[in-house]
Amino acid sequence: EVQLVESGGDLVQPGGSLRLSCAASGFTFSSYWMSWVRQAPGKGLEWVANIKQDGSEKYYVDSVKGRFTISRDNAKNSLYLQMDSLRDEDTAVYYCARALYTAMVDYWGQGTLVTVSS
Amino acid sequence: QLVLTQSPSASASLGASVKLTCTLSSGHGSYAISWHQQQPEKGPRYLMKLNSDGSHSKGDGIPDRFSGSSSGAERYLSISSLQSEDEADYYCQTWGTGIQVFGGGTKLTVL
Repeated sequence: EVQLVESGGDLVQPGGSLRLSCAASGFTFSSYWMSWVRQAPGKGLEWVANIKQDGSEKYYVDSVKGRFTISRDNAKNSLYLQMDSLRDEDTAVYYCARALYTAMVDYWGQGTLVTVSS
Repeated sequence: QLVLTQSPSASASLGASVKLTCTLSSGHGSYAISWHQQQPEKGPRYLMKLNSDGSHSKGDGIPDRFSGSSSGAERYLSISSLQSEDEADYYCQTWGTGIQVFGGGTKLTVL
C-alpha cells in the first residue's frame, strides 16, 4: 500500500524558515517524480514544486522561486521542502504527492499545516 | 498560458447522475488531465487520468460509478448513482514541461 506521511508543519513568524518532510513507503520511491502541493484555508489546490527521480531536475511555481527548495533522499525514501523567507500567504496545508508522467499526481499524503503569522 | 477552468459549484439529487466539466485553455486542447476528489476535511484522492480521446484509467479502488469523457478542449467527470459520500470538491489537473496546473475546483452538493 502506497503511503505518504508529511511532518514538520508548525506556526512560524513572517521571514522565518521551516523544513517539511515526507516519508514514503509501499512503492519504489526512487522510480517516481515527487511533488509538493498546497492548499490555503478555504482555497483550492496549488502546485508548489516537483523533483525528478534522481533530483537532477526541479521546478517551482513562480511565487516560491528563490525561497523554497525541494530535495529528496532516495536512500531514506524521503522528500523534503525547505521553506525560507516565509510570508503570510504561504499559510496552507502542504501535501506530499507521488507523480506519474513527471507531474500527474496519483497518490496524496494527508497533509501538514504551515501557519505563517506574527 | 496553460489554464484549467471549472464551474465553482454543481448539485444533483441522491441516486441521480452528474457531469462535471473542466476546460483547457486555448491551444492546449490535446492535453490529458487527471481528476481528484476532496471530501470535507480530508486530503485529496486521485480518481483517474483522462486523455483527449476520452480513454481513461482509474485509480485504485475507484468505483465504476465514476467515469470520464472528452470533447475538444473539454474534459468531463461523470458520477452515476450519486451517494452522500460523493459530496466533495472535485479538481482537475494538467501538466506541461516543468509545471503542474490545477483547476479552481467544483463543489458538488448531493441533495
